[in-house]
Amino acid sequence: GQQLNQSPQSMFIQEGEDVSMNCTSSSIFNTWLWYKQEPGEGPVLLIALYKAGELTSNGRLTAQFGITRKDSFLNISASIPSDVGIYFCAGQPIGEGGSEKLVFGKGTKLTVNP
Amino acid sequence: GAVVSQHPSRVICKSGTSVKIECRSLDFQATTMFWYRQFPKKSLMLMATSNEGSKATYEQGVEKDKFLINHASLTLSTLTVTSAHPEDSSFYICSAPGQGGDTQYFGPGTRLTVL
Repeated sequence: GQQLNQSPQSMFIQEGEDVSMNCTSSSIFNTWLWYKQEPGEGPVLLIALYKAGELTSNGRLTAQFGITRKDSFLNISASIPSDVGIYFCAGQPIGEGGSEKLVFGKGTKLTVNP
Repeated sequence: GAVVSQHPSRVICKSGTSVKIECRSLDFQATTMFWYRQFPKKSLMLMATSNEGSKATYEQGVEKDKFLINHASLTLSTLTVTSAHPEDSSFYICSAPGQGGDTQYFGPGTRLTVL
């Protein structure tokens, strides 16, 4: 089945540093979404990508949908302590017969040291 | 963005009892909702797709009789964990597609602890 390979699994950085994480797959995805989850909470949508090659920003966050529709990266610039959390990529596979099901990566746990 | 709520946020129950979790789309209608289960330090695992007006679609390995899903209206889906056991303890999260179906908005989750 479709799988999203997300890396790195965890990151420990200093406040102010930039962060980059990515997801790859052998399958093509229709839509690519990036979520942040904090402990005890549901995932919160950060950025949604719909077109191959699309580059989208949301404040200090920037994400791009790969040209082949098989990968995406998320960058966080000038990290701050409240960026701490687990970041998930999620994709809506092509060819699911119109299903809105998502496939999730395993997450990147981000720790920011003040 | 669209808002999805869940109730309760936390529940503790005795083994053998049933627990109902509600998922509501607050400012939009959702003919489809999704139920996930998340173990500590793990990703979300899709359990089932809740369909308004028809039966839920369960993922492979998920017991239909154990996890009863009812999509009562265009804004409400419920997940009932029947005859709960300690191994059912987990974080349960629902989601609903946004307009156009190309994004999903998640509820805040329900922490279930079965003693």
